[in-house]
Parts: sequence; C-alpha cells; structure tokens
Amino acid sequence: NAGVTQTPKFRILKIGQSMTLQCTQDMNHNYMYWYRQDPGMGLKLIYYSVGAGITDKGEVPNGYNVSRSTTEDFPLRLELAAPSQTSVYFCASSSWDRGEKLFFGSGTQLSVL
Amino acid sequence: GQQVMQIPQYQHVQEGEDFTTYCNSSTTLSNIQWYKQRPGGHPVFLIQLVKSGEVKKQKRLTFQFGEAKKNSSLHITATQTTDVGTYFCAGHSGTYKYIFGTGTRLKVLA
Repeated sequence: NAGVTQTPKFRILKIGQSMTLQCTQDMNHNYMYWYRQDPGMGLKLIYYSVGAGITDKGEVPNGYNVSRSTTEDFPLRLELAAPSQTSVYFCASSSWDRGEKLFFGSGTQLSVL
Repeated sequence: GQQVMQIPQYQHVQEGEDFTTYCNSSTTLSNIQWYKQRPGGHPVFLIQLVKSGEVKKQKRLTFQFGEAKKNSSLHITATQTTDVGTYFCAGHSGTYKYIFGTGTRLKVLA
C-alpha cells in the first residue's frame, strides 16, 4: 500500500492563477481531510469529507474548493491564488474501523508570488 | 467554533529532563489524539484516548484525557534528542471534523 499520496510536492504560482492539489489514498478510508500549515504554526482544517459525494467546510475554507467523487480521491482546488495561500498543504485520511487514526501524505509546499 | 489550545508554545529542555504539554478544547471531545511532527515532516499518529479520565503509556510517554473530556496532557519522562519535534493534540466533537491544537515545539539540548 502506498498510503496517502499527494502531488505535486512543490509548486510556485503567480497571483491570480489556479491549480488543483491532488490527493489519493489506497486504504479504502472513508474520511479524508485537507489541512494547511503556515511556517512555524499549527494545522488548520480547510475541508473534510466523510464519504464519496459528501464534503464539508473546516476552519479556513475561503478561497478553496473540494470534491469527492470517489472513495480514493480528494482534490483541493485553489481559485485565484493569493499570497496568503502560501503554505504547506497536507492531505490525510482515516477510517472508523481503524480507530480514526489520521494517515498523512508528505505534503505540498505551495508559494504564491 | 471548536478551538483547541496547547501550552506551552515552545519548550527547551536539557536531555534527561521531563516535559509536559497541555491541550485544552473549548468543547467536549469524543476522543483526543496526539501526533508528533519532526521538522520538515508530516504529523505522525502517536495515540488515541476515548474514555473520560483515561491514562495510557507508551514507554517514556504518558497520555491523559481529562474527566470532562475537554483537556489532555502528554508527559515525556527523561527526554532524549530523538524526542525533538512538535507535538499536536487533535479531536472532534462527534462530527469527525478533527481540529488540531496549536502545538508545542520541543527542543532537547544534549
């Protein structure tokens, strides 16, 4: 099992550009999460999903969109990138039958210049 | 909305000293989880506590969940340089919306 895979690992965007951060998991987990972590700070929840077709806002959803068309994939869309979205983005997944332990991907480092 | 605070924000200890971080939630939690993040890495799960007043141990690490299920602590006995990193608590209030604490960054001086 690869676990949680995030692509790309690094990306530089210009202000106003858009992009999609990809996240896929091969553990058949029903819960998936997107967090952002600013330098030296904690993790803030952007969006989460409790199953295919179901998504909900986290603490900091503005400027982002998500979809969950399959159990495996949970892409995060940035529209009109802004410097305030410069951060490291982590995707995570978990399952109720595995104790809700969150498995994290290795992260995407995004800079908006 | 739910907020989870941790204190202290930073802690520097001499190797061999003990370390404790405290986690406080604004709402009652269904469970509490603890994660460790090494510099440049991603958070890694340490443990989950579910019951009110629960105490669990992992070698030199002791985890507690408060009676009201709104606070928790992580205590490390006799720290080692391998304990360096940031420790986060995380929990939800029944919605699987896991909110992370602000984190405590531990530095161990040899």
